[in-house]
Amino acid sequence: GAGVSQSPRYKVAKRGQDVALRCDPISGHVSLFWYQQALGQGPEFLTYFQNEAQLDKSGLPSDRFFAERPEGSVSTLKIQRTQQEDSAVYLCASSLGGGVGEETQYFGPGTRLLVL
Amino acid sequence: AQSVTQLGSHVSVSEGALVLLRCNYSSSVPPYLFWYVQYPNQGLQLLLKYTSAATLVKGINGFEAEFKKSETSFHLTKPSAHMSDAAEYFCAAEGWAGNMLTFGGGTRLMVKP
Repeated sequence: GAGVSQSPRYKVAKRGQDVALRCDPISGHVSLFWYQQALGQGPEFLTYFQNEAQLDKSGLPSDRFFAERPEGSVSTLKIQRTQQEDSAVYLCASSLGGGVGEETQYFGPGTRLLVL
Repeated sequence: AQSVTQLGSHVSVSEGALVLLRCNYSSSVPPYLFWYVQYPNQGLQLLLKYTSAATLVKGINGFEAEFKKSETSFHLTKPSAHMSDAAEYFCAAEGWAGNMLTFGGGTRLMVKP
């Protein structure tokens, strides 16, 4: 079956623009995660959904970042008024269940965002 | 704050040589531990996962990792490097705060012919 897909794969935005990044998880996966990976660094957690419920958004760096998963499948990460420090690869991952340590997270290829 | 540390941001080995990538975590309670590999322009792929069932964990592509509680380490090894092993490797932990992953900074493995 298909893996996790993300679109667009690359996005160039001018500082101040709003962007929307899409994640299509593996069908039937309950949990969905967003991570931010700055250049030369490991991914850092942004937010977590279980079905349509956003259970943890502690990693969102500012109120300019907003994520949703209204029907419990596709998720969108929106960044308002982008800044240069938002330039990074945004990774989406999904897992079948929601238990700690029980499920493998499967990652998408990421969206590389460059803010000029 | 709990953290994962990978010693050596770049490791270079010759083809056929032993691969050793180091990972240490900060915790008094062993979490779940993972190694992921990332090829250019691709997502993270799970290599192996420690869940307390066995301290020596075997993964895909001939990799294995040993959990050592006394050293809070989870180093990744492979007896003989192949050119195709050249990639970025990430150690990660789960369980300190829910089911999100906490990643180390990554180690780029280069394999010389």
